[in-house]
Amino acid sequence: GQNIDQPTEMTATEGAIVQINCTYQTSGFNGLFWYQQHAGEAPTFLSYNVLDGLEEKGRFSSFLSRSKGYSYLLLKELQMKDSASYLCAHRGGYNKLIFGAGTRLAVHP
Amino acid sequence: GAVVSQHPSRVICKSGTSVKIECRSLDFQATTMFWYRQFPKQSLMLMATSNEGSKATYEQGVEKDKFLINHASLTLSTLTVTSAHPEDSSFYICSLSQGNDPDGYTFGSGTRLTVV
Repeated sequence: GQNIDQPTEMTATEGAIVQINCTYQTSGFNGLFWYQQHAGEAPTFLSYNVLDGLEEKGRFSSFLSRSKGYSYLLLKELQMKDSASYLCAHRGGYNKLIFGAGTRLAVHP
Repeated sequence: GAVVSQHPSRVICKSGTSVKIECRSLDFQATTMFWYRQFPKQSLMLMATSNEGSKATYEQGVEKDKFLINHASLTLSTLTVTSAHPEDSSFYICSLSQGNDPDGYTFGSGTRLTVV
């Protein structure tokens, strides 16, 4: 199967840290992706993990545990512009991306 | 990364008519493109993989006779929604992949289809 689960919605305060979790099941793992998407726009690539551990890119970090089928996206120093949907995805056959349902994050002052 | 141009960005059509959406790769020869559909507050659902010069590969539950995909050249893939109904109103977006580079996925700007 190729199931991906994420929380539907999250809220956080400006300046805080938020962690968005993702669990997945896939018959052949080939990398875990995180994208940001604002409503009505194309998704934007944030991060990619293929090995276990933490990948850090500025205010964004992503963690992967292949044995647990688990990943999270960590956003630090939240800004109002970070209010968006965050999509967890993995790569399937023919290089296609399979997305989870996405987590809508609302950042409040 | 590659540049992908998707048109139209917004279209309103009458129920029962057909709508064609174009996805052009401007600087990359794409043998494969992907078509997604996104309903409000939901995620991107893969509809089909478009293959240059051959038939598209549809995901389970997607009607291939309703969503016609043509990938006649390395730079153009089209999605035609035939006999559109209000429930087909959605955000349609195309994508291509440049090899195995994780940052190599490029998305079109999307098409907002409204069927009235």
